[in-house]
Amino acid sequence: NAGVMQNPRHLVRRRGQEARLRCSPMKGHSHVYWYRQLPEEGLKFMVYLQKENIIDESGMPKERFSAEFPKEGPSILRIQQVVRGDSAAYFCASSLTEGAYEQYFGPGTRLTVT
Amino acid sequence: SQQGEEDPQALSIQEGENATMNCSYKTSINNLQWYRQNSGRGLVHLILIRSNEREKHSGRLRVTLDTSKKSSSLLITASRAADTASYFCATPRGDSSYKLIFGSGTRLLVRP
Repeated sequence: NAGVMQNPRHLVRRRGQEARLRCSPMKGHSHVYWYRQLPEEGLKFMVYLQKENIIDESGMPKERFSAEFPKEGPSILRIQQVVRGDSAAYFCASSLTEGAYEQYFGPGTRLTVT
Repeated sequence: SQQGEEDPQALSIQEGENATMNCSYKTSINNLQWYRQNSGRGLVHLILIRSNEREKHSGRLRVTLDTSKKSSSLLITASRAADTASYFCATPRGDSSYKLIFGSGTRLLVRP
């Protein structure tokens, strides 16, 4: 039973490039959550998606960031025109139903912007 | 300030000793969770304690919750070098069931 999978695990982008982070939830899970972790800090909620719907994007910056969870395929977190401040670890979690009781986290993608 | 703040920020102990970490929060909660994060890795869920529970055990872990003081503690008994990691508490934000709010963590070093 594979857990939450994220790829790539490490991503290096130059300022101004685009970053695409992928998350495959656990089998049967249709709820996906993205979190960002800056160095030496805890995780910060970014967005909550269900299949084909964004439920809550209150933690996501208004510009350059977008997320999707299509009917088929992984959830994608997209960061356009990256800046150095976007360097962080991005974690995806999934759950079977809505609710924080049951979130399972992936290993994260570490984004470095040079 | 942020919901779920851990104390101390860093803790260094000898293998075999007990480690205690504390977490304080500000708003009412229906549950509190503890996670472990090994350096450069993802989070592993350790234990969840509901607001109507006062204490919970899982192996060498003991979690307490005091809702009157809005605080929780995580005790790791007979620590091992493999327990070296960062430990975070997390609570669902009061107005949502899914938005976990994490503290900044306690970095635990267990010296062999």
